[in-house]
Amino acid sequence: DVKVTQSSRYLVKRTGEKVFLECVQDMDHENMFWYRQDPGLGLRLIYFSYDVKMKEKGDIPEGYSVSREKKERFSLILESASTNQTSMYLCASSSRENPPKGQFFGPGTRLTVL
Amino acid sequence: KQEVTQIPAALSVPEGENLVLNCSFTDSAIYNLQWFRQDPGKGLTSLLLIQSSQREQTSGRLNASLDKSSGRSTLYIAASQPGDSATYLCAVEQGAQKLVFGQGTRLTINP
Repeated sequence: DVKVTQSSRYLVKRTGEKVFLECVQDMDHENMFWYRQDPGLGLRLIYFSYDVKMKEKGDIPEGYSVSREKKERFSLILESASTNQTSMYLCASSSRENPPKGQFFGPGTRLTVL
Repeated sequence: KQEVTQIPAALSVPEGENLVLNCSFTDSAIYNLQWFRQDPGKGLTSLLLIQSSQREQTSGRLNASLDKSSGRSTLYIAASQPGDSATYLCAVEQGAQKLVFGQGTRLTINP
């Protein structure tokens, strides 16, 4: 079974802090994704990556950056956390195989910025 | 721009009933459609994926159908159980492996 793990289930940070959210997958997937989920807004794509050292902006990249130095690890960085970044953050991964198997998600990190 | 809609937003049924969850999308040029469940405060669990060339997929008590031309998918749950209570999300892939999600249907199965 695919396993996607995220470094923290709950995180509380102060405004202005630099925040790192880590995601690791164990199935050698090429693609990795970061989403945030907010009530009434659903899941929105922040950034994604098709390969090591590659990154693409999603629908809401402002205020975020990412890093993918190794195939299995995809990090989301909040350079200077703000209260409007309080949210549930979800990481996902997928392969390029055919037939496709879709995206697999981690357990999520609930981030609160005070 | 692709829009995915799930109606109703919430559904409550007695245990044992068969039920159907609906998903509609505005742009029929999709690669795949994926159904997920999400328990409160948790991540998403993949249930079924239907490729654009397929009409349906089955897994246990779940059956998902796809009518690409009309922009609709349904998730059929047979003999519902209290453990099926969760939010169910559908998502379409339009290319580049990116998913567009619906808002979900919150399902409650009453014992």
